[in-house]
Amino acid sequence: EAGVAQSPRYKIIEKRQSVAFWCNPISGHATLYWYQQILGQGPKLLIQFQNNGVVDDSQLPKDRFSAERLKGVDSTLKIQPAKLEDSAVYLCASRLTAVGGEQYFGPGTRLTVT
Amino acid sequence: DQQVKQNSPSLSVQEGRISILNCDYTNSMFDYFLWYKKYPAEGPTFLISISSIKDKNEDGRFTVFLNKSAKHLSLHIVPSQPGDSAVYFCAASPRGSQGNLIFGKGTKLSVKP
Repeated sequence: EAGVAQSPRYKIIEKRQSVAFWCNPISGHATLYWYQQILGQGPKLLIQFQNNGVVDDSQLPKDRFSAERLKGVDSTLKIQPAKLEDSAVYLCASRLTAVGGEQYFGPGTRLTVT
Repeated sequence: DQQVKQNSPSLSVQEGRISILNCDYTNSMFDYFLWYKKYPAEGPTFLISISSIKDKNEDGRFTVFLNKSAKHLSLHIVPSQPGDSAVYFCAASPRGSQGNLIFGKGTKLSVKP
């Protein structure tokens, strides 16, 4: 069974530029999460999707971050414009259902904003 | 305000000995707890979990203990192996949150041969 795929693996941009990350969850997993992990911290949830609907985006900085999962499969996370403090690893995770079972994480995208 | 705390940033143990990683939490609404392991340049990997209705869960060399009254859980690895060297994250899920996880900062475990 293929795992959660993310691209790109690494990205370096200047502040005020835009960037997008892509995630392909495990086949059949209805729930998809985006996390931000700043160096030295644990992952912090940004947004949770159930199929193509948003379940929780309370911690997403909506003035600059957006995410979509149009067909209930792949998802993209966008930052526009980026700030220095957005430098982090962005992790995508998926789970078979909304309740129960563990979350499976992708390898992450390491973003550096200069 | 950190709801899940891992107060030891690092831990070093000898191969074959027991590794004990600790985690404290503040939110009494947490009803499910998990441990994840993370190697460099990889995403976290699920290790073991425990529901708040239990006080112990065991899986091979890994055992998680939950003390609800103290709001404390621990992960025991026996015996420790060099391949266990990684960062371990404690995570908790609030009741009714549909599985959202709140993570601690992690503890880096080094198992020396």
